[in-house]
Amino acid sequence: EPEVTQTPSHQVTQMGQEVILRCVPISNHLYFYWYRQILGQKVEFLVSFYNNEISEKSEIFDDQFSVERPDGSNFTLKIRSTKLEDSAMYFCASGVSGANVLTFGAGSRLTVL
Amino acid sequence: GESVGLHLPTLSVQEGDNSIINCAYSNSASDYFIWYKQESGKGPQFIIDIRSNMDKRQGQRVTVLLNKTVKHLSLQIAATQPGDSAVYFCAENIHSGYSTLTFGKGTMLLVSP
Repeated sequence: EPEVTQTPSHQVTQMGQEVILRCVPISNHLYFYWYRQILGQKVEFLVSFYNNEISEKSEIFDDQFSVERPDGSNFTLKIRSTKLEDSAMYFCASGVSGANVLTFGAGSRLTVL
Repeated sequence: GESVGLHLPTLSVQEGDNSIINCAYSNSASDYFIWYKQESGKGPQFIIDIRSNMDKRQGQRVTVLLNKTVKHLSLQIAATQPGDSAVYFCAENIHSGYSTLTFGKGTMLLVSP
C-alpha cells in the first residue's frame, strides 16, 4: 500500500537553529499538507500546497516557516529559527485531489532545546 | 471560534464489546467529516468519512452517524478488538477545496482482552 514517508523520525535542535523536515508524498498525489501535533494536544493544520504554491496556511504558519517542493518527489518544511514552542510532531499528508481524503505520514518529532 | 470537540477523553471497553465514540461540532458550514485513528508513534490513519448529505455510512466493523440537527458525529466500532486501541480523532472540513482539516482533541480507546 502506498505511503507517505517522512524523515527524520526525530530531530533534536537548539533554539534558533534552522530545521528542515522532509516528506515524500504518494507519487500520484497532487495536494500536500503539513500538520503538527504538540504533545497531548490535537492535530493542527499548518499549510496546504498545490501546483507549486501555497494554497492555504494557518496562523501558526508565520514567516519562520516555509515549504518547498524542490523536485518531483520531495516536499519539505523549513523552520528558519526554531523556538521552544516549535517542539511537536510534524505530520506530512498528501491527497490525490482536493476532495478531502488525506494520507498521513508517521511524523517527524522535533525537539527544540 | 467554532471548533470540533469530543465528549469523552478516554473510553475503556472489553474485547468484543461495541464501542461508540462521540464528537460535537459547532460549524454549520462543515460539509465533510472524517474519523482518524492514531496509534502510538504513528500518524493519523483514515477510518471512515461522511458528507453532510448523508446520515450514516458503514465500513468494515465501523459505522459513522451524522446528526446535523444537533451537530453530532459518532463512530461505532463493532466487536472491538485489542488492535482497535488508539486515539480516535474526528475532523471536519469547512473548506471545500483544499482539505484543510480541523481536528478534535481525540478520544483514547482502551480495549481490554
